[in-house]
Amino acid sequence: AQSVTQLDSQVPVFEEAPVELRCNYSSSVSVYLFWYVQYPNQGLQLLLKYLSGSTLVKGINGFEAEFNKSQTSFHLRKPSVHISDTAEYFCAVSEGSTLGRLYFGRGTQLTVWP
Amino acid sequence: DAMVIQNPRYQVTQFGKPVTLSCSQTLNHNVMYWYQQKSSQAPKLLFHYYDKDFNNEADTPDNFQSRRPNTSFCFLDIRSPGLGDAAMYLCATSRVQGVDGEQFFGPGTRLTVL
Repeated sequence: AQSVTQLDSQVPVFEEAPVELRCNYSSSVSVYLFWYVQYPNQGLQLLLKYLSGSTLVKGINGFEAEFNKSQTSFHLRKPSVHISDTAEYFCAVSEGSTLGRLYFGRGTQLTVWP
Repeated sequence: DAMVIQNPRYQVTQFGKPVTLSCSQTLNHNVMYWYQQKSSQAPKLLFHYYDKDFNNEADTPDNFQSRRPNTSFCFLDIRSPGLGDAAMYLCATSRVQGVDGEQFFGPGTRLTVL
């Protein structure tokens, strides 16, 4: 089974600072990669996804992620965070062959301080 | 707007009293999923429907059942809720034709067991 590792369970950062949330996966086959954001007491919202093509993917709210096949990583970045970015972020992987099944990481709580 | 709707958003039940959670979608997606998410954890897949085909995860307790009477609706039945079943329950959908794995989530139902 696929394994997704989010290396940091909590990331505190000051407003307007850059942030990187790390994600590594275990699959050696072609994968599709996703980042979801979850605000308190809400469902998951898609931030961005990598399916193919350019390894740098841009998403909503100024986030971007870079797919690195050799390092099996898909780290999420934002050059300048806002207090409203405070939320839980989940990295997820699909192998396509399992017809849409997503494997989630444990999540990273991003807290932005004023 | 096409979306995934969950009712109720908050559900309180008593220990051992059956409860049903509801999910509906206007996306006309073939696949519907139920996840359980406990505090500070990743969503855990309970089961999913591919059209009318039911797929149970191996470690989903027998206490959890599901029904999908038509494309738009899916229900999660918890026959005898225990204190350990208190969690957020997330419903999600995906297209079957697109195997990129992207899932669309509802806002969740938070279940409290007294």
